[in-house]
Amino acid sequence: EPEVTQTPSHQVTQMGQEVILRCVPISNHLYFYWYRQILGQKVEFLVSFYNNEISEKSEIFDDQFSVERPDGSNFTLKIRSTKLEDSAMYFCASSMDRGDGNTIYFGEGSWLTVV
Amino acid sequence: GDSVTQMEGPVTLSEEAFLTINCTYTATGYPSLFWYVQYPGEGLQLLLKATKADDKGSNKGFEATYRKETTSFHLEKGSVQVSDSAVYFCALSDNTGTASKLTFGTGTRLQVTL
Repeated sequence: EPEVTQTPSHQVTQMGQEVILRCVPISNHLYFYWYRQILGQKVEFLVSFYNNEISEKSEIFDDQFSVERPDGSNFTLKIRSTKLEDSAMYFCASSMDRGDGNTIYFGEGSWLTVV
Repeated sequence: GDSVTQMEGPVTLSEEAFLTINCTYTATGYPSLFWYVQYPGEGLQLLLKATKADDKGSNKGFEATYRKETTSFHLEKGSVQVSDSAVYFCALSDNTGTASKLTFGTGTRLQVTL
């Protein structure tokens, strides 16, 4: 079964450093997403991406965050200058379309620890 | 804004016990409703979904019915197994933006023992 793959599975970085989390969505999907889950808290929406541009972003997704689809397969999340509170599990996801009941498929997550 | 409220965990059950995990939601419009499951060390997997009122989603012995009158989508299973131990997330999709956006509950950890 096709799946969303993410790398790295775990990254430790120093505060202030730039981090890039990478994702390969399911190949024929058109909508791409990043979510995050701070330990013990809810899974939160960060951003959605369609047709090579951001379609929606949450308040969390400030100027420190950016997304890119540099080629036909990868979808990346960049955090420009990490803060301690960016420590979380980051989930990439993708979907075929956005019709009613559209299923969003998630990757296994990238655990980011900022020290 | 949209929100999802789940019962607090952890829930500990003996194998073959009946499971209910409560989920209620607040949303404008007519959202689609989902249950996702996260097994230890794995990502979020879709368990079941329902797209309109009175729809029943079912998978792997789990089921949930979209109740518009009570704004609920409770997850049930008649006989749980040890392999069902995981964290269960209720979620809704508002279907109003360019792309679907999920709003999740806090998750309920289920531990099934022999």
